[in-house]
Amino acid sequence: EAQVTQNPRYLITVTGKKLTVTCSQNMNHEYMSWYRQDPGLGLRQIYYSMNVEVTDKGDVPEGYKVSRKEKRNFPLILESPSPNQTSLYFCASSLTPSRGTQYFGPGTRLLVL
Amino acid sequence: GQQVMQIPQYQHVQEGEDFTTYCNSSTTLSNIQWYKQRPGGHPVFLIQLVKSGEVKKQKRLTFQFGEAKKNSSLHITATQTTDVGTYFCAGPSNDYKLSFGAGTTVTVRA
Repeated sequence: EAQVTQNPRYLITVTGKKLTVTCSQNMNHEYMSWYRQDPGLGLRQIYYSMNVEVTDKGDVPEGYKVSRKEKRNFPLILESPSPNQTSLYFCASSLTPSRGTQYFGPGTRLLVL
Repeated sequence: GQQVMQIPQYQHVQEGEDFTTYCNSSTTLSNIQWYKQRPGGHPVFLIQLVKSGEVKKQKRLTFQFGEAKKNSSLHITATQTTDVGTYFCAGPSNDYKLSFGAGTTVTVRA
């Protein structure tokens, strides 16, 4: 079954404690991206990756890091989380972002205290 | 940079009625995509429009891409409770970035 998986699904942490949200896809997609969803703001892109070892900033990259060492995995790293990073995070993958379906993961709900 | 705007932000509909949600881009789009997110779920792809003036239907849903390829609409006829959720439009700002609108959240009164 074609899918994007994310872990953890829910996370409560404290300010400054580094965390990683994993994302994996089994569709051999080259393009992967991370979004955060906040009420009234829709989906805002954090980072995206066009292929292995190729990443670039989206619209709201501050406070986040990513890596793409393997095609299937695209982890999101928060080196020093702050309360304004409390949000719902989605990973997505596709063949290309501009043509074709974006497949979204189930989401990770993060609360930073 | 490119902005994609959606109106209305909220749509409260009586079951059986029709409604339309609109999407507008500040720049010309090569294509536009629509997604639906059910409450507590993740966005799911509905459709992609590519051609100027294109109209596509999925059962009770009608999607339209404007002639200038800067706007789009989603029209739902005879709304059902299964239509509840948030509908997003998205347009590519370049080959690698996809900009989403803020979404229209639909609730249905039975």
